Amino acid sequence: QQQVKQSPQSLIVQKGGISIINCAYENTAFDYFPWYQQFPGKGPALLIAIRPDVSEKKEGRFTISFNKSAKQFSLHIMDSQPGDSATYFCAATNQYGQNFVFGPGTRLSVLP
Amino acid sequence: DAMVIQNPRYQVTQFGKPVTLSCSQTLNHNVMYWYQQKSSQAPKLLFHYYDKDFNNEADTPDNFQSRRPNTSFCFLDIRSPGLGDAAMYLCATSRDVTGSGYTFGSGTRLTVV
Repeated sequence: QQQVKQSPQSLIVQKGGISIINCAYENTAFDYFPWYQQFPGKGPALLIAIRPDVSEKKEGRFTISFNKSAKQFSLHIMDSQPGDSATYFCAATNQYGQNFVFGPGTRLSVLP
Repeated sequence: DAMVIQNPRYQVTQFGKPVTLSCSQTLNHNVMYWYQQKSSQAPKLLFHYYDKDFNNEADTPDNFQSRRPNTSFCFLDIRSPGLGDAAMYLCATSRDVTGSGYTFGSGTRLTVV
């Protein structure tokens, strides 16, 4: 129940294209869903996050779509750039901050 | 800039020789976490401190210990490193247990020889 599933494992997108990464969870107690971006040799950096009271959140080229009934959320990167090439982790936690659970990650490569 | 700082960036230790990794934060966050991240895997939570209260994950080996002498510093002690403990160790902080303001350090890459 603590697991967060993430797909695809790897993704190759042409520059200017849309990158879409999907996550799903089981634990209905989760109420905070962040996305992290990690470059090689660096720690994960918070990219964008959403709480279940909204269905979508947009920050620049990055959008989270959230489907509470399906227990799914996704990250959309519009106009993908080579500099977006990194590993992306979705995560989930509950209001008590316990067991901050990460998905297994998606390695994104944006081709120039 | 307020941040989470991990030292050293790279640490090489001998098999079985105790090693300590350090983390400091200028964010004045209440919660500090230690994660282990192996190559191409998600970070795995080892334990966290809420203020001085220590919370160990059930599957964290006894070989891993932690200390938090004050709000700003937290240490990860590996008592007898094995080859399987080679990994990136990430420190993170958050304002409170809701996870708000969750911030990672850049990590320490540990090599065991």
